[in-house]
Amino acid sequence: KAGVTQTPRYLIKTRGQQVTLSCSPISGHRSVSWYQQTPGQGLQFLFEYFSETQRNKGNFPGRFSGRQFSNSRSEMNVSTLELGDSALYLCASSLGVLAGVSSYEQYFGPGTRLTVT
Amino acid sequence: SQELEQSPQSLIVQEGKNLTINCTSSKTLYGLYWYKQKYGEGLIFLMMLQKGGEEKSHEKITAKLDEKKQQSSLHITASQPSHAGIYLCGAALQLIFGTGTRLQVFP
Repeated sequence: KAGVTQTPRYLIKTRGQQVTLSCSPISGHRSVSWYQQTPGQGLQFLFEYFSETQRNKGNFPGRFSGRQFSNSRSEMNVSTLELGDSALYLCASSLGVLAGVSSYEQYFGPGTRLTVT
Repeated sequence: SQELEQSPQSLIVQEGKNLTINCTSSKTLYGLYWYKQKYGEGLIFLMMLQKGGEEKSHEKITAKLDEKKQQSSLHITASQPSHAGIYLCGAALQLIFGTGTRLQVFP
């Protein structure tokens, strides 16, 4: 079974620009979560989507948004980029809910390293 | 909000030595994950603990969950260079992660 894939792997953007990152979950997984990882703050939860609906949201400004498509693929968008947005963005997929039992065992993609200059 | 504190932050051990990493939660744990991360890469799932007192092993890695202490420990026996990386604990349901422990193993 193919793992979680993220594209692009590396990205360099300028302050003020916007960026869209993509995540394809493991086949059959309906939940996709996004995380931001920086040396200073560690791994921080951005949001989670399940069946095209945002189910959970972390404490990030509205410049960070996401969506999930009917095939469970997800995109994350950051508008008006700031230098502090430079980070490794990780996507993780899980079954979500199966027959009423939550399964949060998450499988992570390799990440997209975003550098804002 | 809940926080997960890991200790130590960094660990350097000689190959063959045993080591333990701890993860302490500020609130009740409803389950805990352990992950390993190579620098700049995604996280690799190691194991999940769901019940107090539960202990799981995978190869030379053993993890235990102490619900009363709101703490989990990860123990590596006879460490190898391949064990090097960053170990992260994550709280199930709460979608938060610990601060990470960087492990280096030298020959």
